Amino acid sequence: GQSLEQPSEVTAVEGAIVQINCTYQTSGFYGLSWYQQHDGGAPTFLSYNALDGLEETGRFSSFLSRSDSYGYLLLQELQMKDSASYFCAVRDKNQGGKLIFGQGTELSVKP
Amino acid sequence: DVKVTQSSRYLVKRTGEKVFLECVQDMDHENMFWYRQDPGLGLRLIYFSYDVKMKEKGDIPEGYSVSREKKERFSLILESASTNQTSMYLCASTRSRDYGYTFGSGTRLTVV
Repeated sequence: GQSLEQPSEVTAVEGAIVQINCTYQTSGFYGLSWYQQHDGGAPTFLSYNALDGLEETGRFSSFLSRSDSYGYLLLQELQMKDSASYFCAVRDKNQGGKLIFGQGTELSVKP
Repeated sequence: DVKVTQSSRYLVKRTGEKVFLECVQDMDHENMFWYRQDPGLGLRLIYFSYDVKMKEKGDIPEGYSVSREKKERFSLILESASTNQTSMYLCASTRSRDYGYTFGSGTRLTVV
């Protein structure tokens, strides 16, 4: 089977840096993705890591360590609009490559 | 921009009714998915399809079926709605399994 663990809630202040961790267990692995979902909205794709290392896209970065079955999403220069739920998701090789989602981390950005 | 459109934003149905949730994407994606989202449980995969006429069960297919007669349309069917199917239903599509998914805005279904 497969499972993903991420913190349920994180709180940070505007302008700060926050890291949301994700650990996973799968029988096969293609890559780790991150999605953002604002309250009442649809999840939107943020990043995808297939290989080890850091991927940077503006204020957001995502990291993967395949040997540790671990990844994180790093949000810099936090803004109020970053308050949302963040989901990590894995593509499981032995499940036809379909995406399996974690339960989500609710990020609250305070002034 | 890819658009995934779900036909209804909110639906209220009665127990035992047959319910159809429609999803249409406009970018010729082969891969389409239905998830349900519940508080504390994240997104759980119900069914998916990698091609027309093709369907595969996800993690929680019981009580659901799907139809994909045309590439752009993927329908989720609740054969006999029950109160435990009250949820947010999200449709998604992707060009390739190496790419990010594009989600629709969701249908919040209440079964009474």
